This record gives sequence, structure tokens and C-alpha cells, in this order.
Amino acid sequence: NAGVMQNPRHLVRRRGQEARLRCSPMKGHSHVYWYRQLPEEGLKFMVYLQKENIIDESGMPKERFSAEFPKEGPSILRIQQVVRGDSAAYFCASSPDRGTEKLFFGSGTQLSVL
Amino acid sequence: SQQGEEDPQALSIQEGENATMNCSYKTSINNLQWYRQNSGRGLVHLILIRSNEREKHSGRLRVTLDTSKKSSSLLITASRAADTASYFCATIQGAQKLVFGQGTRLTINP
Repeated sequence: NAGVMQNPRHLVRRRGQEARLRCSPMKGHSHVYWYRQLPEEGLKFMVYLQKENIIDESGMPKERFSAEFPKEGPSILRIQQVVRGDSAAYFCASSPDRGTEKLFFGSGTQLSVL
Repeated sequence: SQQGEEDPQALSIQEGENATMNCSYKTSINNLQWYRQNSGRGLVHLILIRSNEREKHSGRLRVTLDTSKKSSSLLITASRAADTASYFCATIQGAQKLVFGQGTRLTINP
């Protein structure tokens, strides 16, 4: 049973480009969470999604960031017109149901903006 | 705002010693969780303690919870080099999201 899969593992973008980060939750999990982590810091909540629905996006910047979790396929975190401050590790986590009693994390995508 | 705050921020001990990390939080909780993060990797769930529990054990891990002080501690006994990692406490904020503290960076010296 594969764990949470994130790709790419590393992503390099130049300022102004778009970054698309993918997350495939564990089999049977319908809840996906995205977190951002800066070096030497904790994880900052960004967004919580269920299939085809955004449940809580209170941690998402108002501009340039969007997330989706379609009926088929992985969850996508999209960052448009990236800036250097977007450089961070982005982690996806999944859970089988509501309640967040235990999250299963992917290995993250390290985004570097040049 | 951070719901959980860990203390100390960094801890360095000798292999075989016990490591204690503390977490304080601000609002009422149903449960509190501890996670470990090895360098460059995702977080791994260690243990969950419910608000009606005072202490819980899992292998070399011991977690305590004091809801009157809004604090929890994680004790790792007989530490090993492989325990070197960052440790985070997490609580549920609002109805849905799990919020993490800043973490304690634990280094076990051989």
C-alpha cells in the first residue's frame, strides 16, 4: 500500500513562472491537506480539501495560490507568477476521514525560485 | 497563530540519555498529537493523547497531558542516534485543520 506520493521532489522555477505541485493521497483517503515549511520552522497550514471540494483555505495567500482535488487524479497545488518568497518545502498529507486524528505525510516538494 | 509551541527549540543530549520536550497550547482540545520529522522528509505520526487521558506510552515514548495547564510533554527514554529529528506537537484548530508548533530539534550525540 503506497504512501502519500508527492511529485516532483524538487522543483526549480524562475520568478514569474508557474509551479504545479502534485499529491496522490494514500489509497482510500479522501481528505488532503497542504502545508508549507520554511527552513528551521514548523509547518504552516494552507488548505484542506476533500474530493472536488475546498473545505478550509484559510491558510492560502489570497493571490497566486490555488488548490484542487478533482474526482479523478491527484490533488494539485498551483502557484502562479512565483516569487523568491515562495521558496519552501510544500508537504501534502492525507487522512481517511474527517477528524484529523492521524495524518499521513508525503516526502514533500522543495520549491526553489531563482 | 500557532496553537502549539514547543520548548526547547533545540536539545542536544548523549546517546542513552532521556529527552524531554514540552508543548503548550492555547485553546481547548479534543486530542494532542506528536509527530517526528527527519531532515528533508515528511512528518511521521508518533502518538495521540486524548483530552481525558493524562499519560500514554508507546515503546520508548511517554506522553503526558495536563489540560489545566494546557501543556503536554514527550519523553524519549534511552535515546538512540536514530532519534535525531525534529519533533512537533499538533492540535486541531477550528473544526478541520491540524496546526503544528515550531518544533524541537533533537540531536543525539554518539
